[in-house]
Amino acid sequence: QVQLQESGPGLVKSSETLSLTCTVSGGSVSGHYWSWIRQPPGKGLEWIGYVFYIGNTNYNPSLQSRVTISIDTSKNQFSLKLTSVTAADTAIYYCARSSNPFFLLDNWGQGTLVTVSS
Amino acid sequence: EIVLTQSPGTLSLSPGDTATLSCRASQSVSSSYLGWYQQKPGQAPRLLINGASGRATGIPDRFSGSGSGTDFTLTISRLEPEDFAVYYCQQYGTSLTFGGGTKVEIK
Repeated sequence: QVQLQESGPGLVKSSETLSLTCTVSGGSVSGHYWSWIRQPPGKGLEWIGYVFYIGNTNYNPSLQSRVTISIDTSKNQFSLKLTSVTAADTAIYYCARSSNPFFLLDNWGQGTLVTVSS
Repeated sequence: EIVLTQSPGTLSLSPGDTATLSCRASQSVSSSYLGWYQQKPGQAPRLLINGASGRATGIPDRFSGSGSGTDFTLTISRLEPEDFAVYYCQQYGTSLTFGGGTKVEIK
């Protein structure tokens, strides 16, 4: 059974770069799309972007200027970098998989809370 | 970017009732690219419905989806205690967007 696990600092200073990694176990990153989604406390879901296993990416237009998502197939991991963070970037960050061509997210990590401090 | 509007914001029902949740898109969405998710407190969302009407693996048949174009519906028949949660619709066109969510709470 494929499992996803987010890791990275839980506290980031304002104006710095948020960096998270999602490790995939029980299966390969090959052949699938891998997304990052975030959820501010008590609010709804916001898609950040995806990376395809060969490295193609697509980002939320509202975040595109600050986001980089990359993949390391040798480590079975993919990563998120979000630059110039502010308090508005405080959220639970989830990684997720789309094993279908319709970009429906059928497997999710448990999420990790990242707080941006001033 | 396609905007998804979910209604109502909150639905207050009793176990055994039927819940009808709406998701309206700002422009037409291909049904194949429309899904519904359930999220319980402290948990990640879980895919319920794919392709607007197909149940994901392990999802009980009391959950059903329907609709096309700009109007989609999630119906939960015979509400069980574990069904009280927040539900999101999601689409993919050139970008992926979620609706704002509907909370199904116990009346």
